[in-house]
Amino acid sequence: AQSVAQPEDQVNVAEGNPLTVKCTYSVSGNPYLFWYVQYPNRGLQFLLKYITGDNLVKGSYGFEAEFNKSQTSFHLKKPSALVSDSALYFCAVRARNAGNMLTFGGGTRLMVKP
Amino acid sequence: DAGVIQSPRHEVTEMGQEVTLRCKPISGHDYLFWYRQTMMRGLELLIYFNNNVPIDDSGMPEDRFSAKMPNASFSTLKIQPSEPRDSAVYFCASSKPWTLANTGELFFGEGSRLTVL
Repeated sequence: AQSVAQPEDQVNVAEGNPLTVKCTYSVSGNPYLFWYVQYPNRGLQFLLKYITGDNLVKGSYGFEAEFNKSQTSFHLKKPSALVSDSALYFCAVRARNAGNMLTFGGGTRLMVKP
Repeated sequence: DAGVIQSPRHEVTEMGQEVTLRCKPISGHDYLFWYRQTMMRGLELLIYFNNNVPIDDSGMPEDRFSAKMPNASFSTLKIQPSEPRDSAVYFCASSKPWTLANTGELFFGEGSRLTVL
């Protein structure tokens, strides 16, 4: 079985400061990892993914995430937060033999204050 | 590309009534997923289809829930009879098959917000 944990319900950060949203996963074998973002009253939007290769992946809107196999983590980061980054962020994992089925974490609400 | 289209965007109904939610996936996407989002339970996968065939419906909460995909461009999620605890946002998502060239990202619709009084 595959699972994802997002240990923080909410992350607060001041505009211009770096941000980190944490994610750990559990899956058999090598994982495919994803981050999605959900703005108010909208569906989830794909942000970035790790499939293979470089542990640091870059995505939309200046976000990046670092895959750490030993710690089974895939934390989302951004060097300088914007107020417009305030949203709900979901980490997701797919095992390599799980078809197209993703397992999502519980979500972390990011609040960026001016 | 119009994206995944869901209707209605909002539905308010009374307990015991039948509710039908509709989804049009992106053309060419072979996979279709129905998710439910609530504050208490987060994002839950209810059922997914591949080439119009239900593959995994283990997330469907009970027999009051049913889903169909009569063709590649249309799916419905039906709740009969509805109950207040069914109040949630229901999302439809679609994706292409996972291949070397495509890693199967999900594309979500805007959701249908259901309120059962």
